[in-house]
Amino acid sequence: DVKVTQSSRYLVKRTGEKVFLECVQDMDHENMFWYRQDPGLGLRLIYFSYDVKMKEKGDIPEGYSVSREKKERFSLILESASTNQTSMYLCASSVRTGKGGLEAFFGQGTRLTVV
Amino acid sequence: SQQGEEDPQALSIQEGENATMNCSYKTSINNLQWYRQNSGRGLVHLILIRSNEREKHSGRLRVTLDTSKKSSSLLITASRAADTASYFCATVGYSTLTFGKGTMLLVSP
Repeated sequence: DVKVTQSSRYLVKRTGEKVFLECVQDMDHENMFWYRQDPGLGLRLIYFSYDVKMKEKGDIPEGYSVSREKKERFSLILESASTNQTSMYLCASSVRTGKGGLEAFFGQGTRLTVV
Repeated sequence: SQQGEEDPQALSIQEGENATMNCSYKTSINNLQWYRQNSGRGLVHLILIRSNEREKHSGRLRVTLDTSKKSSSLLITASRAADTASYFCATVGYSTLTFGKGTMLLVSP
């Protein structure tokens, strides 16, 4: 089974702190994603990466950066955490299913609270 | 920008009843997928339907796709309390998945 592991289930950080959210997948997938999920807003794509050292902005990249130094690991960085970044963060990796399809595998999520 | 929109936002039914959720989307797609999320957890892939397919089954799940109306539906037959979860449709671009806001399904014993 594909496994996507996020390093923390729950995290509490202070405003202004630099925060690292780590995600590791064990299936050699090329694509990895970071989403945030908020009530009433669904899942919104922050950043994605389609290869090592490659990254693309999603819909809401402001206040975030990412790092993909190794294929299996995709890190989300909050440069200076703010209270409006309190959210559930979901990491995913994906595999192509043929004829343009993608199937995504998600981690369990990190619930981040910024105080 | 969110591609899919699920309807209804919330659905409450009794065990044994069928649950139908709908998804509408805006642009052309290669395929459409449905995911399930139990409270406070990650999403789990349920089923994928390609743009040239009209209907697909997997166990108690039945998905339809109408590309002319840009809509899809997910039917869960003979629902169980364990089906209580949020259900999301996702449309696939070249490299990304775009999710709707989800339907919250509550199945009461």
